[in-house]
Amino acid sequence: DADVTQTPRNRITKTGKRIMLECSQTKGHDRMYWYRQDPGLGLRLIYYSFDVKDINKGEISDGYSVSRQAQAKFSLSLESAIPNQTALYFCATRAGQGSTEAFFGQGTRLTVV
Amino acid sequence: SQKIEQNSEALNIQEGKTATLTCNYTNYSPAYLQWYRQDPGRGPVFLLLIRENEKEKRKERLKVTFDTTLKQSLFHITASQPADSATYLCALGAYGGYQKVTFGTGTKLQVIP
Repeated sequence: DADVTQTPRNRITKTGKRIMLECSQTKGHDRMYWYRQDPGLGLRLIYYSFDVKDINKGEISDGYSVSRQAQAKFSLSLESAIPNQTALYFCATRAGQGSTEAFFGQGTRLTVV
Repeated sequence: SQKIEQNSEALNIQEGKTATLTCNYTNYSPAYLQWYRQDPGRGPVFLLLIRENEKEKRKERLKVTFDTTLKQSLFHITASQPADSATYLCALGAYGGYQKVTFGTGTKLQVIP
């Protein structure tokens, strides 16, 4: 089983719909991240969390919200999806202070029509 | 603003040759630099980390250099194989805070048999 699991892997949704992307990890890491990847723009940070009680906005948080339900679970929600949120979304984890390697999930390809 | 540049054009190389990928950055003083490999439809996978006080790092057929004066990192794959074909991302990071890591857009490497 993958260390970082994202569901769903693919999703097509309509403009205005609320959608949730889920991420769970078995690494035991405290730090979890949500990124989106667009062609030519690279990976951009949406939200990050250092522990269950710590949630922080990243570079492009507008239109998104997150929930850290447990150390192992970090969900990303699009409250009202719009077409320019069509992208590849990745969840990642890192261990605590001093560790820098990120472990990524396999990604969720989201299409908003 | 911080900027990371990787060659957006694909790099085609003959099997057995050394592939060299470049990562340049501006307006940034990173504490470390990472290289990741990303296959189509998959999440990035960590390869190597090099810190600001290190000039060179090696791992099997991989070698990374880091020149903080030139603000450049070179990533080498020796004796390249078709299985090395992928997109390679560089990422720059700083310690402290949320350990911000900024990713480049990646360079696609194609190793031709």
